[in-house]
Amino acid sequence: AQKITQTQPGMFVQEKEAVTLDCTYDTSDQSYGLFWYKQPSSGEMIFLIYQGSYDEQNATEGRYSLNFQKARKSANLVISASQLGDSAMYFCAMRVPEGGGADGLTFGKGTHLIIQP
Amino acid sequence: DGGITQSPKYLFRKEGQNVTLSCEQNLNHDAMYWYRQDPGQGLRLIYYSQIVNDFQKGDIAEGYSVSREKKESFPLTVTSAQKNPTAFYLCASSIGGGDYEQYFGPGTRLTVT
Repeated sequence: AQKITQTQPGMFVQEKEAVTLDCTYDTSDQSYGLFWYKQPSSGEMIFLIYQGSYDEQNATEGRYSLNFQKARKSANLVISASQLGDSAMYFCAMRVPEGGGADGLTFGKGTHLIIQP
Repeated sequence: DGGITQSPKYLFRKEGQNVTLSCEQNLNHDAMYWYRQDPGQGLRLIYYSQIVNDFQKGDIAEGYSVSREKKESFPLTVTSAQKNPTAFYLCASSIGGGDYEQYFGPGTRLTVT
């Protein structure tokens, strides 16, 4: 069974600072995908970034980057130059293909990030 | 505008009643998913469907049922057999199999008393 662990229930960060949200995963499969989603207080889930297990380079999307360390099974999200609008819950998720089909994502419990002015 | 709609946003039911949550997408996506979120927790997969007339159980399917008669629609029924139905329910869709981004709807908050 797959498992995602997010060890930081909450974080306070000063505006404009960089922040790293931790994520470790557990799977015996060689092929998998890692995702980060943002959930504001309104409840919708917003996709941020994706990393495939065979991707050699760390994924980047604007201010978001994913620090992928395969041997350590970690996929930390880095947000550069944090903004007040970054305050939200952040979820790490993993997908392990089931015979190539579209099975769902396994989510961690999330980190509540609060950006302070 | 393309997207996923879930209605209603808030739903209240009495214990022992079945209730159906709607999910519609106009993204022309093949795959659709239902997740449940409890307070302070991540999302857990209830059911997913790769194509019309086919669906698979997720991690917590007991007490739930789904149908996929049209590509655009994937309704979820919370039956009276579900022991703790009060939760936030999120529907998602993706282009298809593979590591494609899942697009989420706004969610339905179900309260059963």
